[in-house]
Amino acid sequence: NAGVTQTPKFRILKIGQSMTLQCTQDMNHNYMYWYRQDPGMGLKLIYYSVGAGITDKGEVPNGYNVSRSTTEDFPLRLELAAPSQTSVYFCASSFQVAGITDTQYFGPGTRLTVL
Amino acid sequence: SQKIEQNSEALNIQEGKTATLTCNYTNYSPAYLQWYRQDPGRGPVFLLLIRENEKEKRKERLKVTFDTTLKQSLFHITASQPADSATYLCALRKAAGNKLTFGGGTRVLVKP
Repeated sequence: NAGVTQTPKFRILKIGQSMTLQCTQDMNHNYMYWYRQDPGMGLKLIYYSVGAGITDKGEVPNGYNVSRSTTEDFPLRLELAAPSQTSVYFCASSFQVAGITDTQYFGPGTRLTVL
Repeated sequence: SQKIEQNSEALNIQEGKTATLTCNYTNYSPAYLQWYRQDPGRGPVFLLLIRENEKEKRKERLKVTFDTTLKQSLFHITASQPADSATYLCALRKAAGNKLTFGGGTRVLVKP
């Protein structure tokens, strides 16, 4: 199992450009998440999905969009990049059913710089 | 407002000693609390989970306590080694909800 994979590893964008961060998991997890982590800070939830076709906002969703057409993939879209979106982005997945707790498995991250 | 606080100052400790990290929370009724390890340039990795009705959990040299009255969890690394140097994050899940909320993390540096 590859676990959670993310591409690209690094990216530099100009203000106003768009891009999609890719995330794939091969563990058949139902839940998937996108977080951002600013230097020296904890993780802030951007969006999450409880299954294919279902997404919901997290703590900091503005400026981002997501879709979940399959169990495996959960891409994050930045439409108009701004310097405030410079951060490290982590995708995670977990398996949740009622009464079973969710250990989250994280990808290696994408380091994004917006200039 | 809901808050999860970890000591933002790095913890410098001598090899062989016990490192103790604190996670305090306010305005939460957590169902459980998790601890993760994060190495530079990598994603967090799950270490331990403790439920609201549990007082203590152990895994090898790691020990976690959970005091819902004090609204605090303590994370101990006994017989610390330089390889334990990393940032440690606590995360809470509320009884009603399907998301984890993370603290800011505490960096630990174990010196030989």
